[in-house]
Amino acid sequence: DTGVSQDPRHKITKRGQNVTFRCDPISEHNRLYWYRQTLGQGPEFLTYFQNEAQLEKSRLLSDRFSAERPKGSFSTLEIQRTEQGDSAMYLCASSYHRTWGGRAPYEQYFGPGTRLTVT
Amino acid sequence: SQELEQSPQSLIVQEGKNLTINCTSSKTLYGLYWYKQKYGEGLIFLMMLQKGGEEKSHEKITAKLDEKKQQSSLHITASQPSHAGIYLCGAVPNAGGTSYGKLTFGQGTILTVHP
Repeated sequence: DTGVSQDPRHKITKRGQNVTFRCDPISEHNRLYWYRQTLGQGPEFLTYFQNEAQLEKSRLLSDRFSAERPKGSFSTLEIQRTEQGDSAMYLCASSYHRTWGGRAPYEQYFGPGTRLTVT
Repeated sequence: SQELEQSPQSLIVQEGKNLTINCTSSKTLYGLYWYKQKYGEGLIFLMMLQKGGEEKSHEKITAKLDEKKQQSSLHITASQPSHAGIYLCGAVPNAGGTSYGKLTFGQGTILTVHP
C-alpha cells in the first residue's frame, strides 16, 4: 500500500459547474476525513466517515457540498454550483480507529490533495 | 473550541543551525500531531504525542509535549535544506464523543534553510 491517494491532483472549473473529487484511503483504515486548506492557513475539518457512516459534518460544509463513502472504502466529495470562494486545496486523510476499548488518538495520514481553482 | 497558536510564523536559518517551533493550545491536548508540508502538496506525518512529558525523535527532529499538555515544541538539530517547508501542529479537540479524531490545526510555521 502506497498511502492515501487523491484524484485529480488539480482541477480548474468555471463558476457554477459541479466537481467531484475522489479519495482512496490506506486499505485497512476505517476512518476517512476531508479537510480544506486555503493559502497561508492550516487545514480545516469538513467531514469524516467511519466505514460507510458519515459521523460529523462541519458548519463549513454548505448544502452545496456532499460526501459519500458507499462501501466503506473510497470516498467522493462533490461540490455543486461552485463559487470562487471554493478555491482551495481539498485534503483527504485516513486512520485506523479501534471500535473497542481505549480512546487513544490515532495516527492520521494525508493524501497529496486536490487543488481546486474556480474561475 | 480549541485553538492552536504556532510560533514563529516564519523562520529563516542557515544550514547547520538548530531551531525550535512551538505550538500552544487554548485547551488540554489529548493528542498532538506534527506534520510537514511542501508548498502545494499534502501533509507528511512526522510524529504524534499523547502523554504529558512525552518526547519522540525521528532522524534530526524531536518533538515534546509538556507535562500540562498544553504546549508542544518541535526541535530540528543541524538543519538542512531538505528540512525546509511548512510545519503544522494539529490536535484532537477532546477526549471522546463523535468529534474524536478530527484535527484542529495551527496556522503553520514556514521554515527556510539557506545552504
